[in-house]
Amino acid sequence: IAGITQAPTSQILAAGRRMTLRCTQDMRHNAMYWYRQDLGLGLRLIHYSNTAGTTGKGEVPDGYSVSRANTDDFPLTLASAVPSQTSVYFCASSVTGTSGNNEQFFGPGTRLTVL
Amino acid sequence: AQKVTQAQTEISVVEKEDVTLDCVYETRDTTYYLFWYKQPPSGELVFLIRRNSFDEQNEISGRYSWNFQKSTSSFNFTITASQVVDSAVYFCALSEASNTGKLIFGQGTTLQVKP
Repeated sequence: IAGITQAPTSQILAAGRRMTLRCTQDMRHNAMYWYRQDLGLGLRLIHYSNTAGTTGKGEVPDGYSVSRANTDDFPLTLASAVPSQTSVYFCASSVTGTSGNNEQFFGPGTRLTVL
Repeated sequence: AQKVTQAQTEISVVEKEDVTLDCVYETRDTTYYLFWYKQPPSGELVFLIRRNSFDEQNEISGRYSWNFQKSTSSFNFTITASQVVDSAVYFCALSEASNTGKLIFGQGTTLQVKP
């Protein structure tokens, strides 16, 4: 593993189903983030974690939950998927979340379609 | 409130032309950081540059240059002698020191460089 990996690469999901998007980083970064990318809106922050054991809400958290049991993993869960959650989801990490100065490294993304 | 605006949705140029991508930001913080990311057709996000609010020096890296002007709240990106490989979506983003680590993205500008 090098950098950030995300799984699955893509997924088609029926509305109402539960889905967990996986994200793993091997850079020992403290901070991790989940964004969704929608045409014309850029990337919007869903949830973030500044360190293992803590999480916070971003700009568009409704319908999503996260956990950070350890440094490397930051799964994103859709408890009951809706069509408006159709998007491309990016996981990112940075050395620290306590300073806005750090660049974020992004995973390859997960394309999710909710029907 | 923080905001990043990339007014140019799409730009099309012919190879070897120079092109400037505009970015205007809003923030009430005195300490903040500005970023540019590139998203080629393959989909991953590639970090290009970071600038902090105390450093208004323009930066040049090969064919890329950035013009940061606090007076106009702008952080524009110029590609000199564009190449087909520059075709991508480019995102400008803002991070505030008081909003630790969270990136606020602009809507993105799609650049198409034709041979």
